[in-house]
Amino acid sequence: DTEVTQTPKHLVMGMTNKKSLKCEQHMGHRAMYWYKQKAKKPPELMFVYSYEKLSINESVPSRFSPECPNSSLLNLHLHALQPEDSALYLCASRQVAGVNTGELFFGEGSRLTVL
Amino acid sequence: AQSVTQPDIHITVSEGASLELRCNYSYGATPYLFWYVQSPGQGLQLLLKYFSGDTLVQGIKGFEAEFKRSQSSFNLRKPSVHWSDAAEYFCAVGYQKVTFGTGTKLQVIP
Repeated sequence: DTEVTQTPKHLVMGMTNKKSLKCEQHMGHRAMYWYKQKAKKPPELMFVYSYEKLSINESVPSRFSPECPNSSLLNLHLHALQPEDSALYLCASRQVAGVNTGELFFGEGSRLTVL
Repeated sequence: AQSVTQPDIHITVSEGASLELRCNYSYGATPYLFWYVQSPGQGLQLLLKYFSGDTLVQGIKGFEAEFKRSQSSFNLRKPSVHWSDAAEYFCAVGYQKVTFGTGTKLQVIP
């Protein structure tokens, strides 16, 4: 199984809503990532979890709250978002030991629209 | 700080023609380099990677890339482009923190 699964694929929310994006992988990877991608732009790193601990936060606003409940799951909790937060949110995972470290495996993304 | 430059925003090639996408990087140590491809509205798929060893690396779908340390480059090549290769191509550098270039959109004309 070489997949990273993200749900939901599409999400529409108002600025006062609370919602969550979910990501799951069963490749035994111990690093998981959230990227944000605006239209016609490259992915921008938001958070990195390594061994279920937050290791990188790229100065992301607190209205985005990541959570890594176990080695297979990664959540992104959303609250009081702004319309400019509308984007494709990509989850990725990476093996941290062995031959194939470094390569990121991406999910298909969750398309978020904030009204 | 690490960075990636892809100087070509948009490239158009004829089907069957050869392709070269340029990538220059800035990184403080021996770089981990990647090329990813993204179709519209989709996630990113790894084409190939370079960590060490042979500087000419082979990837999926007939792509190859050459690492040139002296030029800080990692250009992607394909000898004969197929219509299905039309997509956005991203060069990336890094290990724990992976930084992407701005991408090159490839259009293939029949």
